[in-house]
Amino acid sequence: GESVGLHLPTLSVQEGDNSIINCAYSNSASDYFIWYKQESGKGPQFIIDIRSNMDKRQGQRVTVLLNKTVKHLSLQIAATQPGDSAVYFCAEINNNDMRFGAGTRLTVKP
Amino acid sequence: SQTIHQWPATLVQPVGSPLSLECTVEGTSNPNLYWYRQAAGRGLQLLFYSVGIGQISSEVPQNLSASRPQDRQFILSSKKLLLSDSGFYLCAWVPHGFHYGYTFGSGTRLTVV
Repeated sequence: GESVGLHLPTLSVQEGDNSIINCAYSNSASDYFIWYKQESGKGPQFIIDIRSNMDKRQGQRVTVLLNKTVKHLSLQIAATQPGDSAVYFCAEINNNDMRFGAGTRLTVKP
Repeated sequence: SQTIHQWPATLVQPVGSPLSLECTVEGTSNPNLYWYRQAAGRGLQLLFYSVGIGQISSEVPQNLSASRPQDRQFILSSKKLLLSDSGFYLCAWVPHGFHYGYTFGSGTRLTVV
């Protein structure tokens, strides 16, 4: 799966604020979703996942919300820290095929 | 535990020179392997994937090729680099039978000059 030729949207937040990163997915049949975090110069790393039979899943400081009605996925980061600055990708999985979203660059201001 | 290694981390090559990037996975057998490219400030583009030794699928026509000479080794090559080949190259793996939930390598930053 790929997200090609798209300049990344950006989100800038103040340290300590909550961040919300959004992702619109394309296939209503997608049944599994993953958020990845990619720090500068590194490969993407798994953050959190959610299956389509759930609408919310929480991790440590992160929450993923899934709205299947409008095919929307969001990643909420509580008390954003400088170390959260990265590009965040969502991925949708349908029938063993994974497609990445375009990604959002999160910048945390001290 | 499983680990994935990519090298080199950075590479500067002149236009027209050959390329060989290597990726190896440890701690698993018969993984599915992937090469992605990421241009600066852009998303991920799938280049090649492999479900077994000698089995390579190409997603986009390009100046690059891939090979899988051993079960846990995936190589990205070019005979003659173009300026447009510059980018961040990522290798990834998943257990055989899966095509999602990748574990990515640390990437290779290629600059063609």
